[in-house]
Amino acid sequence: QSVLTQPPSASGTPGQRVTISCSGSSSNIGSNPVSWYQQLPGTAPKLLIYFNNQRPSGVPDRFSGSQSGTSASLAISGLQSEDEADYYCAAWDDSLNGRVFGGGTKLTVL
Amino acid sequence: QVQLVQSGSELKEPGASVKVSCKASGYSFTDYAMNWVRQAPGQGLEWLGWISTDTGDPTYAQGFTGQFVFSLDTSVSTAYMQIGSLKSEDTAVYYCARKRGGTSRDWYFDLWGRGALVTVSS
Repeated sequence: QSVLTQPPSASGTPGQRVTISCSGSSSNIGSNPVSWYQQLPGTAPKLLIYFNNQRPSGVPDRFSGSQSGTSASLAISGLQSEDEADYYCAAWDDSLNGRVFGGGTKLTVL
Repeated sequence: QVQLVQSGSELKEPGASVKVSCKASGYSFTDYAMNWVRQAPGQGLEWLGWISTDTGDPTYAQGFTGQFVFSLDTSVSTAYMQIGSLKSEDTAVYYCARKRGGTSRDWYFDLWGRGALVTVSS
């Protein structure tokens, strides 16, 4: 099992707002910034959010990130069919002295 | 164009070794360290470690020391990962990903290669 815990699945209808959670501990999310990655079917992951809430250029502002305590969240507003993908959170873990990922959340747009 | 181009798919027998390459273009190769991440079929992402592209010093994730070896050829802006003593459970897509950020903990993967599928089967 992954060090960071994500729900295995999430869903929403077009136009809706969905949130994906990422739960960790004091050794990772509680003390280090979180990044989020989107993996469309059959493709490589792509950076979506870094430093908890920063968007790289080119990422729509429909995507936002937040962090509080030992948890982080990715919110997607105005859901679109092309948002159907797997989403992963990641952070540095001080105890493991390494980068850890969440198990991934498969987002389905109904 | 800023990109990472990886080598193609490989089919190897158990016990063999494989070397995956990752060629960078469009930026100064030695300005950013390179990570390696793998994804077994139908599974999530797993960090294998990274290599400093200016010193060549590798850092391996826990459990990946010995079997995995990271190396560089800065003359052709290419990072390599060699996997020895392959087992069926090493079957996965192996990604290279550029390290971006500040300190040893405050960083993220900002650019990914397309991945190289390594299949281990007799």
